[in-house]
Amino acid sequence: SQKIEQNSEALNIQEGKTATLTCNYTNYSPAYLQWYRQDPGRGPVFLLLIRENEKEKRKERLKVTFDTTLKQSLFHITASQPADSATYLCALRRAGGFKTIFGAGTRLFVKA
Amino acid sequence: GAGVSQSPSNKVTEKGKDVELRCDPISGHTALYWYRQRLGQGLEFLIYFQGNSAPDKSGLPSDRFSAERTGESVSTLTIQRTQQEDSAVYLCASSLVITGGTDEAFFGQGTRLTVV
Repeated sequence: SQKIEQNSEALNIQEGKTATLTCNYTNYSPAYLQWYRQDPGRGPVFLLLIRENEKEKRKERLKVTFDTTLKQSLFHITASQPADSATYLCALRRAGGFKTIFGAGTRLFVKA
Repeated sequence: GAGVSQSPSNKVTEKGKDVELRCDPISGHTALYWYRQRLGQGLEFLIYFQGNSAPDKSGLPSDRFSAERTGESVSTLTIQRTQQEDSAVYLCASSLVITGGTDEAFFGQGTRLTVV
């Protein structure tokens, strides 16, 4: 069955460092991969989308890579800040469909 | 409205009772999704509505779950004969489906359902 794996352990980093989160998937061929941020008690908020024919996408301090051979996406936050502390979810969708499946998320803590 | 609105924000119900959860999507958004999120877990797809097309119900976990949407407006998710394993946060999202767009999904704050 299709599966999305994100690091279940929380990631703790120091302010100013680069945070790197991983999303791996199996038994799935996504055309689109999205990253969302979720704060406690809130719904997820969209951050970035990358398509299967794109290797990398950037938005301000965020960078996402998408390797369809490795079946992996990496999500980077550069110059991290305590305000970046949240859970980050990756989400996949096939071409021509709208059913988006989500990973369990990785909790990020940025210490001042 | 300004965003996706869900009601109630919290619901405590007794096992065996029926519950109805409501979602008001962003005006003009043709797509509407329901997800379930158990504590510490990811979002579990339940159902998807897109315009007047037949909904994708492939994620509904049992026939106790059903959802309706009137046109491109309000949606209700109904859970009949609730069980304790139904306890979770139920999230609704809407998006504007356009060719070449990001199909960014805007989420509501969720309804926290507790079955006792």
